[in-house]
Amino acid sequence: DQQVKQNSPSLSVQEGRISILNCDYTNSMFDYFLWYKKYPAEGPTFLISISSIKDKNEDGRFTVFLNKSAKHLSLHIVPSQPGDSAVYFCAASEYSGGGADGLTFGKGTHLIIQP
Amino acid sequence: KAGVTQTPRYLIKTRGQQVTLSCSPISGHRSVSWYQQTPGQGLQFLFEYFSETQRNKGNFPGRFSGRQFSNSRSEMNVSTLELGDSALYLCASSDRDLYGYTFGSGTRLTVV
Repeated sequence: DQQVKQNSPSLSVQEGRISILNCDYTNSMFDYFLWYKKYPAEGPTFLISISSIKDKNEDGRFTVFLNKSAKHLSLHIVPSQPGDSAVYFCAASEYSGGGADGLTFGKGTHLIIQP
Repeated sequence: KAGVTQTPRYLIKTRGQQVTLSCSPISGHRSVSWYQQTPGQGLQFLFEYFSETQRNKGNFPGRFSGRQFSNSRSEMNVSTLELGDSALYLCASSDRDLYGYTFGSGTRLTVV
């Protein structure tokens, strides 16, 4: 059972426009969400995160929105740049107080920024 | 500050063999986690070590094991390799309980 789902395997966006990557989760115990970016032959790089007590977090061109009632989060990139072309992973965690449960990842969305 | 270092970068092994992968975390980081990335399953959590103790384990068979040394370096071992174990194995370290994971570049394991 996949607890974190990224239903779009790929997304193509024109340079300068907004990129919106979506993520759904099923485990209501998740209370922290993260987005990672991954280039080929490299490990994932942390982008931005959000706690379940918030519904929005911004960092420069990146904004993450969380809708807890819908168990949905999205990553907005504005404006999109060629260097943003990569695979984006959504991840979630359930803090069990005293130990890390590890991150549960979605399968990723390959974002392609077209010139 | 040096990042998370994983060795070797690439490895080819034969079915039935065993393999040991190494991870050196960022200096000062005491938490080390391991993940397996495959095209079909994405990134899956293997286990996490903190101060030489395994704190949590994902849903993988007992052929997958790990350990952490007093200097926080970690090793992951896979015994009796199967073709399906071919994957990118990623290590991540953190200086806090959960947040702020930094990943290494991974070890690409191919089982033939």
